[in-house]
Amino acid sequence: GQQLNQSPQSMFIQEGEDVSMNCTSSSIFNTWLWYKQEPGEGPVLLIALYKAGELTSNGRLTAQFGITRKDSFLNISASIPSDVGIYFCAAMNYGGSQGNLIFGKGTKLSVKP
Amino acid sequence: NAGVTQTPKFRVLKTGQSMTLLCAQDMNHEYMYWYRQDPGMGLRLIHYSVGEGTTAKGEVPDGYNVSRLKKQNFLLGLESAAPSQTSVYFCASSGRGGDLYGYTFGSGTRLTVV
Repeated sequence: GQQLNQSPQSMFIQEGEDVSMNCTSSSIFNTWLWYKQEPGEGPVLLIALYKAGELTSNGRLTAQFGITRKDSFLNISASIPSDVGIYFCAAMNYGGSQGNLIFGKGTKLSVKP
Repeated sequence: NAGVTQTPKFRVLKTGQSMTLLCAQDMNHEYMYWYRQDPGMGLRLIHYSVGEGTTAKGEVPDGYNVSRLKKQNFLLGLESAAPSQTSVYFCASSGRGGDLYGYTFGSGTRLTVV
């Protein structure tokens, strides 16, 4: 079946550092999403991307929809302790009979003050 | 504006016991989903529903049943709990066709089967 390969699995960084994570697939998608999950909570949508090559920012977060439609990356600039959590990429082909949202396995981010 | 509400938040079951997890959404969403989350495995789809009265199997449906008698509610049942079903369960909902903004998730139910 369709799979998303998300890397890295985990990151341990110092406060103030920039972070980069990515997600790849062998399948083409027309929508890429990035979620953040904080401890004890459900995933919350951070950024949604709908067009190949699109670059979208949300505060210190920037995500890009790969030109091949098979990948996406998420960057976090100047990390702070509240960035701690698990970041999931997700992808789907919006507009089909159902929203088949597929998730990566997540990148666990730890930030040392 | 509650969004997606899951009850209970925590539960401990003995092997062989049964229970039902309730998910309620107030966004008039057509689609609802149940996921389980295990360390290193990400989110795996158990069952989903594309509308009131409909259900379908996801990636890991064995040992679970679901019902969608009302549009706003999606129930996940464990008839005979097993330790392998120890997990965190998330419910999500979305508009028809998956919605431009993906899914809205509940805050999870942490289930331990001993």
